[in-house]
Amino acid sequence: EVQLVQSGAEVKKPGESLKISCQGSGYNFTTYWIAWFRQMPGKGLEWMGVTSPGDSETRYSPSFQGQVTISADKTTSTAYLQWSSLETSDRAMYYCARPRSCNSDSCWWFFDVWGRGTLVTVAS
Amino acid sequence: DIQMTQSPSSVSASVGDRVTITCRASQSINRWLAWYQQKPGEAPKLLIYAASRLQSGVVSRFSGSGSGTDFTLTISSLQPEDFATYFCQQANSLPWTFGQGTKVEIK
Repeated sequence: EVQLVQSGAEVKKPGESLKISCQGSGYNFTTYWIAWFRQMPGKGLEWMGVTSPGDSETRYSPSFQGQVTISADKTTSTAYLQWSSLETSDRAMYYCARPRSCNSDSCWWFFDVWGRGTLVTVAS
Repeated sequence: DIQMTQSPSSVSASVGDRVTITCRASQSINRWLAWYQQKPGEAPKLLIYAASRLQSGVVSRFSGSGSGTDFTLTISSLQPEDFATYFCQQANSLPWTFGQGTKVEIK
């Protein structure tokens, strides 16, 4: 079974750092990019960025460029989303997801496999 | 960025009703559009991709149409398990963007 398993909920203070994870299984992890999305409480979905585990190429939404770091470790089939200094406004559910299909050139950027989400709470 | 505007923001309907949700892009996205269903506490689920292709495992009462800037998701006969929030997403160009969502509620 193809799945993405995300790390558990986190409670942090403003200014702290955080790295959450998304481990893929059931498929060739290096074949598919992994994207990250934010969903703030009661709100819609926002694409944050995407990384290619095969060659570490990463692209960011302008809204999140410089705010977070996205990476992947193909040896452990795990993608990461990290913050160096959290703010209370980072409180949200974060999802990783895999595109429906990818080949050597590109992907169809429709996301059919999703993690269950990691809830990040930031409060003093 | 391409803006995606969904309407209505919410709809109240009964089991068996036909429900139509629209999504408008601020510029042409050809057929690079997906529809997702999200239930409370769950991750989004891909229903339709490339504007009209039904994702594997999704029931055929869901259908999508449109191209360019105007798209539609139709639920032909609403079932109890369909009460959820629906989002459109454009995959034409970065940054990928979503509509604000349409909540389908029980009448």
